[in-house]
Amino acid sequence: KNEVEQSPQNLTAQEGEFITINCSYSVGISALHWLQQHPGGGIVSLFMLSSGKKKHGRLIATINIQEKHSSLHITASHPRDSAVYICAVDQGAQKLVFGQGTRLTINP
Amino acid sequence: DTAVSQTPKYLVTQMGNDKSIKCEQNLGHDTMYWYKQDSKKFLKIMFSYNNKELIINETVPNRFSPKSPDKAHLNLHINSLELGDSAVYFCASSRPRTSGRTQYFGPGTRLTVL
Repeated sequence: KNEVEQSPQNLTAQEGEFITINCSYSVGISALHWLQQHPGGGIVSLFMLSSGKKKHGRLIATINIQEKHSSLHITASHPRDSAVYICAVDQGAQKLVFGQGTRLTINP
Repeated sequence: DTAVSQTPKYLVTQMGNDKSIKCEQNLGHDTMYWYKQDSKKFLKIMFSYNNKELIINETVPNRFSPKSPDKAHLNLHINSLELGDSAVYFCASSRPRTSGRTQYFGPGTRLTVL
């Protein structure tokens, strides 16, 4: 079993829907990252958080340290949000351990 | 003015060859990384350098040797390439070695070993 588990693995939704991607981890962490991998392959860091909640535009990330769980939400989803979303935990000294990714497809 | 750049973007080679992938960052970061993304899109760290010093060295075959001539560059040299080395390799960088720093990724190098 991977130390970082994401669900769902694949998600297809209609434009405008509210999206939630979940990440659970089983190790101690200093921070958790959400990354976006575009269809073209590039990886962009969306959020880094160690507690609470962060918001950037239509994206919201939350983390519950006690429950070892984080969620990434997308409001008013758009086809351009279609990508693979990856959760990664920092176990210290910036050693990231990655989840398997969630492939999101937003249909017009 | 790309922040983290990698060359080449694509690399196709025969088994047994030796090849290098170059990475450069112009962000003034002190820490650089190499990651491997396999065919199932799973990312895994290979190496991490801080100020040219090796910090993280995961269980990577000795055929892989990172080289950091200065803190802006971290190159990856691979000897005796094998079919299983086919993957996308990403370079990344971040600010000094402190937990929880945002990492900036290069565009990736797709290596295909025939």
